Amino acid sequence: DGGITQSPKYLFRKEGQNVTLSCEQNLNHDAMYWYRQDPGQGLRLIYYSQIVNDFQKGDIAEGYSVSREKKESFPLTVTSAQKNPTAFYLCASSMERVTSEQYFGPGTRLTVT
Amino acid sequence: SQELEQSPQSLIVQEGKNLTINCTSSKTLYGLYWYKQKYGEGLIFLMMLQKGGEEKSHEKITAKLDEKKQQSSLHITASQPSHAGIYLCGARTSGTYKYIFGTGTRLKVLA
Repeated sequence: DGGITQSPKYLFRKEGQNVTLSCEQNLNHDAMYWYRQDPGQGLRLIYYSQIVNDFQKGDIAEGYSVSREKKESFPLTVTSAQKNPTAFYLCASSMERVTSEQYFGPGTRLTVT
Repeated sequence: SQELEQSPQSLIVQEGKNLTINCTSSKTLYGLYWYKQKYGEGLIFLMMLQKGGEEKSHEKITAKLDEKKQQSSLHITASQPSHAGIYLCGARTSGTYKYIFGTGTRLKVLA
């Protein structure tokens, strides 16, 4: 079955530690995205990538980093510089057409204490 | 920056009742997408609307985009407990690959 996988489902870290969230897709989509979802704020774009080895900052990129070495994979690193990292993180992908809808993974809930 | 306003923020209806959720933008939308989310899970794509005046239906859910492409509505007919969840509208920004999303409407259907 084609789809997007995110792992792990729940992640706990101590403050000051970097943590990497995994996102893999087998939909052959060119574009991939990372969002952060907080209660009452909807989805906010962290980073997106339209093609391998290229990515752009979204609206809240500070304290995050990404890589896109393979078409299927778009990992997100939450660094210690991110002031409020506790959130629900969603990965998505879409075809390289401006009219394409996005397909989302199941999400990773990160808790930093 | 362009934003999407959703209303209402939450909705509780009795099973069998009809309901409508609205999504409004101050600017023309490039494409409008409706998603459903169960709490703590990913978003499930429902429908996409592109043309002014367009209307699409899937089972008991109908979505419309107004002629000016600034407002969309999602209508559920004869609601069921399976319709419960969070409904989000999303849109492309000016033909780029960036999307923006509304804050969501939390729907509860009482059996």
